[in-house]
Amino acid sequence: DGGITQSPKYLFRKEGQNVTLSCEQNLNHDAMYWYRQDPGQGLRLIYYSQIVNDFQKGDIAEGYSVSREKKESFPLTVTSAQKNPTAFYLCASSKGTSGDLANTGELFFGEGSRLTVL
Amino acid sequence: AQSVTQLDSHVSVSEGTPVLLRCNYSSSYSPSLFWYVQHPNKGLQLLLKYTSAATLVKGINGFEAEFKKSETSFHLTKPSAHMSDAAEYFCVVSGATNKLIFGTGTLLAVQP
Repeated sequence: DGGITQSPKYLFRKEGQNVTLSCEQNLNHDAMYWYRQDPGQGLRLIYYSQIVNDFQKGDIAEGYSVSREKKESFPLTVTSAQKNPTAFYLCASSKGTSGDLANTGELFFGEGSRLTVL
Repeated sequence: AQSVTQLDSHVSVSEGTPVLLRCNYSSSYSPSLFWYVQHPNKGLQLLLKYTSAATLVKGINGFEAEFKKSETSFHLTKPSAHMSDAAEYFCVVSGATNKLIFGTGTLLAVQP
């Protein structure tokens, strides 16, 4: 079955530690995205990538880093510089470019990773 | 700039009664609008989309939404709620930079 796989589903981290969240897709989509979800705030865009070896900052990129070495993979690192990292993180993908996304609105989401900082 | 406002953070209905989830938008041009649904601890799924074709849009699971330009609204409705409809619903507008702008969500509870 085609889809997006995020791992781990739950993750606990001590303050000062970096942690990497995995996102893999087998939909052959060009574009991939990372969102952060906090209660009552909807989804906020962290980073997105429209093509391999290229990515752009979203609205809340500070304290996060990404890489896009393969089309299928878009891992997110939450660094110790992120002041409030406890959240639900969602990875998504879409066909084509961001311009296509504006018309279709169709993002395909993984099931999320819940990060808790102790 | 584009923005979207979901007017209710929580809505509770009885099973078999109508559902109305309200969404107002702000856009300097003709927007594309979408509704997504999220079940607990899951990713989001596209319910329906409006992209300047018919103003009444039908989606999955019996949901529909009507684009009303004069009221800048895109409310989500369903004639009869089912227990499986309990979830969080997000209204989304396509922004000027082609990014999607999400509302803050409406949590729908369905009582037996």
